Amino acid sequence: DAGVTQSPTHLIKTRGQQVTLRCSPKSGHDTVSWYQQALGQGPQFIFQYYEEEERQRGNFPDRFSGHQFPNYSSELNVNALLLGDSALYLCASSLWVFTGELFFGEGSRLTVL
Amino acid sequence: AQSVSQHNHHVILSEAASLELGCNYSYGGTVNLFWYVQYPGQHLQLLLKYFSGDPLVKGIKGFEAEFIKSKFSFNLRKPSVQWSDTAEYFCAVSKRFNAGNMLTFGGGTRLMVKP
Repeated sequence: DAGVTQSPTHLIKTRGQQVTLRCSPKSGHDTVSWYQQALGQGPQFIFQYYEEEERQRGNFPDRFSGHQFPNYSSELNVNALLLGDSALYLCASSLWVFTGELFFGEGSRLTVL
Repeated sequence: AQSVSQHNHHVILSEAASLELGCNYSYGGTVNLFWYVQYPGQHLQLLLKYFSGDPLVKGIKGFEAEFIKSKFSFNLRKPSVQWSDTAEYFCAVSKRFNAGNMLTFGGGTRLMVKP
């Protein structure tokens, strides 16, 4: 049973570019959440998708956008990259109904030069 | 909005020492509380969780945590650490019964256990 898978694992971009990160949730899960983990900090909630709609959003600018596909997989897009966007981007999957548990992928490490 | 504070950023212990990691949260309503662990090179995984009932909860690998409502705290403990406990530990909080299971994390505590 595959867990949460993310791609790519590492990538390097330059300021102003755009990036797309991908996530496949754990089998049976219908909700995907994205978190940003800057170096030395805890994960910060970016947004969450369920039924192909953004359901909750953290304090991130509109440069951060996402999508969920009918197979529950998800993409995170970041436009006009800034140096401060360098971080580990974590995808977490769950059921929409409250269970109290998230399952995390290993993350995509983005470096912006 | 919720917030979580973890006071110890780095902890170094020798094997067999006792561990206590502090966690305080800020939120006016009823919460669920969690500890997640990230071993080197691995993904974040749930260590233990508290929803309601007995404020002392036991998790995997001998860890336990105590919810003290009056102190808004949820400290993690282990009587005797092992080298394999070297990891980063994150305290997290969510609103009670929140659909989607969104979590607010603390800044993490990096634990190093010396053999």
